[in-house]
Amino acid sequence: EDQVTQSPEALRLQEGESSSLNCSYTVSGLRGLFWYRQDPGKGPEFLFTLYSAGEEKEKERLKATLTKKESFLHITAPKPEDSATYLCAVQRYSGNTGKLIFGQGTTLQVKP
Amino acid sequence: SQTIHQWPATLVQPVGSPLSLECTVEGTSNPNLYWYRQAAGRGLQLLFYSVGIGQISSEVPQNLSASRPQDRQFILSSKKLLLSDSGFYLCAWSGGQGLAGVSTDTQYFGPGTRLTVL
Repeated sequence: EDQVTQSPEALRLQEGESSSLNCSYTVSGLRGLFWYRQDPGKGPEFLFTLYSAGEEKEKERLKATLTKKESFLHITAPKPEDSATYLCAVQRYSGNTGKLIFGQGTTLQVKP
Repeated sequence: SQTIHQWPATLVQPVGSPLSLECTVEGTSNPNLYWYRQAAGRGLQLLFYSVGIGQISSEVPQNLSASRPQDRQFILSSKKLLLSDSGFYLCAWSGGQGLAGVSTDTQYFGPGTRLTVL
């Protein structure tokens, strides 16, 4: 069964304190792994798509990496405005639904 | 650029009442459309998806239905709401024509509708 597990569930950081969020996945035939940011009461905002092991993508203070079993979202020198819930999702090759299987998310709080 | 709208933003309904949530997409044609539900403390769950007008597939059996009367319009409905229907409903789109610099695999989400059933 396809499964996505994110850890930790919650993370508190001081401003400038770098850290990483983990997304472990089990899926038969990975088509893509997606990272989203979700602010309270809003829809998820797309961040990155990763397609193959070894791939990396960066955007401002965020860097996403992918292996055959997990993905990391590295946050370098975070600022309070980086506080949000970060969601990871996987998409399978089989079928044409484009269905995303989401993890439970990691809620990040960055204190000034 | 592409834009996705959902309304209403919030809704409080009594048990047993009907429901109609609407989603529209601008800036692309023939997109794939999706309805997700995010319950408190739980991840996003796919409810319905559509690859074209009148083409709806259901992912889980439930008290809800979906329709796609126009290319860029997706509607989520219920005849009688249950308490368990409460949650945050999200519409998303992917693919389509008329895109520039947009991955066809990526799903882009709307602002969501917060539904509370009392």
